[in-house]
Amino acid sequence: DTGVSQNPRHKITKRGQNVTFRCDPISEHNRLYWYRQTLGQGPEFLTYFQNEAQLEKSRLLSDRFSAERPKGSFSTLEIQRTEQGDSAMYLCASSSSPRGGTYEQYFGPGTRLTVT
Amino acid sequence: AQSVTQLDSHVSVSEGTPVLLRCNYSSSYSPSLFWYVQHPNKGLQLLLKYTSAATLVKGINGFEAEFKKSETSFHLTKPSAHMSDAAEYFCVVSPGFGNEKLTFGTGTRLTIIP
Repeated sequence: DTGVSQNPRHKITKRGQNVTFRCDPISEHNRLYWYRQTLGQGPEFLTYFQNEAQLEKSRLLSDRFSAERPKGSFSTLEIQRTEQGDSAMYLCASSSSPRGGTYEQYFGPGTRLTVT
Repeated sequence: AQSVTQLDSHVSVSEGTPVLLRCNYSSSYSPSLFWYVQHPNKGLQLLLKYTSAATLVKGINGFEAEFKKSETSFHLTKPSAHMSDAAEYFCVVSPGFGNEKLTFGTGTRLTIIP
């Protein structure tokens, strides 16, 4: 168990550029989640996958955002035409079959995006 | 709909004294409740969880939380604070049982005074 990893850890981009983040979950975890955390706030849910299927998307996930998990392993989150309001920490988490009916989500270190 | 309210944005305690971080929740379901901790430049770590079993939940590093349905509360406690406890703490709710979207509170920053 090597934990959830995210790359890059930091990304600085200019407004209008596209960015892509990668998340590698804990191996054999079938669920993968994306959250966004702005300064001074708790993380907010964006979307999640079970295997390769995207099961739920938050209304926070505008048309400029897209997430994929093509083979049910790693996932990518792409933001097109970035805006300054997209500046945040993007967190990934993964989980496996529930114990006691609840999935425990394990978080990665996050990717900090700064849009200038 | 579900939400959590963390009643204190910042708590300061002296090393060796008790810690109390307060959380109230709102949920249409019988919720699952969690406390996560976030140290600077580190990922979120699960401290403990409540999933409708025992109402007093023990977690890592000496932390406990008690689920009180009548008060819709899930306060986090620790008998004796340690310097390494300084961090941001988040109270979290989810509907559970297949719907695992976590809803986080705004966090409580815990400062430990030497």
